[in-house]
Amino acid sequence: DAKTTQPPSMDCAEGRAANLPCNHSTISGNEYVYWYRQIHSQGPQYIIHGLKNNETNEMASLIITEDRKSSTLILPHATLRDTAVYYCIVPNQAGTALIFGKGTTLSVSS
Amino acid sequence: GAGVSQTPSNKVTEKGKYVELRCDPISGHTALYWYRQSLGQGPEFLIYFQGTGAADDSGLPNDRFFAVRPEGSVSTLKIQRTERGDSAVYLCASSLALGRAYEQYFGPGTRLTVT
Repeated sequence: DAKTTQPPSMDCAEGRAANLPCNHSTISGNEYVYWYRQIHSQGPQYIIHGLKNNETNEMASLIITEDRKSSTLILPHATLRDTAVYYCIVPNQAGTALIFGKGTTLSVSS
Repeated sequence: GAGVSQTPSNKVTEKGKYVELRCDPISGHTALYWYRQSLGQGPEFLIYFQGTGAADDSGLPNDRFFAVRPEGSVSTLKIQRTERGDSAVYLCASSLALGRAYEQYFGPGTRLTVT
């Protein structure tokens, strides 16, 4: 199963863009990259996922490098409510289980 | 619409006791997953169901853990002879179908404390 590497923590000022990096150098050609976040005492929340192309939804944008070895999650205008642990995930080969690491703790401050 | 629900939200039990944790997935979701999250760690996969069958239970730590989904909807995670090391938040998730392209939606979890 492909592994992901994320910085343990990041800070962001409210209203600024938060750019969260992730390395997944062992990802194979048909594996998706997923991003989830977990706000304190809640279950993980799906944000976005992608395979090759950049993706955008109402929550965030996902930029995947051409070689697919890394990606960046972008929260365009971070708010205090975006403070959470953000997980970059490559599911197991069968696509049946999300393999969580320790994620990046994003702290948004005013 | 309604999300994934889990009951109870908190469960305190004594070492050696039996516990059941319940998960109600999103209506129409055929795939259901159980994870366990210890303090300071990311969730750890336990088991998943496609319909009524447990298609992969490789994450269950030992034979004290068992899960069922008899009608392909509600699932129950059962833990026998609980140990203090079983204390964790147990998370349930469901998805529309099984596969890489389908996002999983998580419930709020059940916090299990074994004293």
